[in-house]
Amino acid sequence: DIQMTQSPSTLSASVGDRVTVTCRASQSFSTWLAWYQQKPGKAPKLLIYQASILASGVPSRFSGSGSGTEFTLTISSLQPDDFATYYCQQYVAYPYTFGQGTKLEIK
Amino acid sequence: EVQLLQSGGGLVQPGGSLRLSCSTSGFTFANYAMNWVRQAPGKGLECVSTITNSGSNTYYTDSVKGRFTISRDNSKNTLYLQVDSLRDDDTAIYYCARGGGTTGGSLTYWGQGTLVTVSS
Repeated sequence: DIQMTQSPSTLSASVGDRVTVTCRASQSFSTWLAWYQQKPGKAPKLLIYQASILASGVPSRFSGSGSGTEFTLTISSLQPDDFATYYCQQYVAYPYTFGQGTKLEIK
Repeated sequence: EVQLLQSGGGLVQPGGSLRLSCSTSGFTFANYAMNWVRQAPGKGLECVSTITNSGSNTYYTDSVKGRFTISRDNSKNTLYLQVDSLRDDDTAIYYCARGGGTTGGSLTYWGQGTLVTVSS
């Protein structure tokens, strides 16, 4: 299975900050990577697919980049609604696998 | 509007069985792969199974192979997960999720989740 490793596990930041989450894969696979946002008690929500394409309705302050084994999710200016847990996921090979998650907390 | 409505969770003893269902609407079910993703209490996400749009191909994570069976009824727009020989570590919220295409893809839409608790 492809292992996905996110860093950091926890990130403390303030409204207005620019933050970046990194996701590394144990094997190279072009851009078959998605990012999800999950809030407590809710199902995950797709933010970005194919490494850099924003899902419908996702604010433009979110962006994704990368290919191969290293990927990043950037939020350009944090808003109060963005404090949540973020997961990367590869969908190039079965079983699909997720990173362990990055919890974005208010500083 | 795309909707995925789940049912079938509950409390079951170790070694027991359940069938989870995911009834869908708002899209052509037969055109998309479907997935089951679980989340143990306080833990991350784990994709346990994927089924292609026609149902001809199924995939499982190692920890559930031989115990879980994914299936679909395209005439009823419904996805299923038969979970047998349940263990304590199968306790989780189980989500169904629609793929982005016929064989897989990113998980574009999610159900509300259903809790499976394995305990004696």
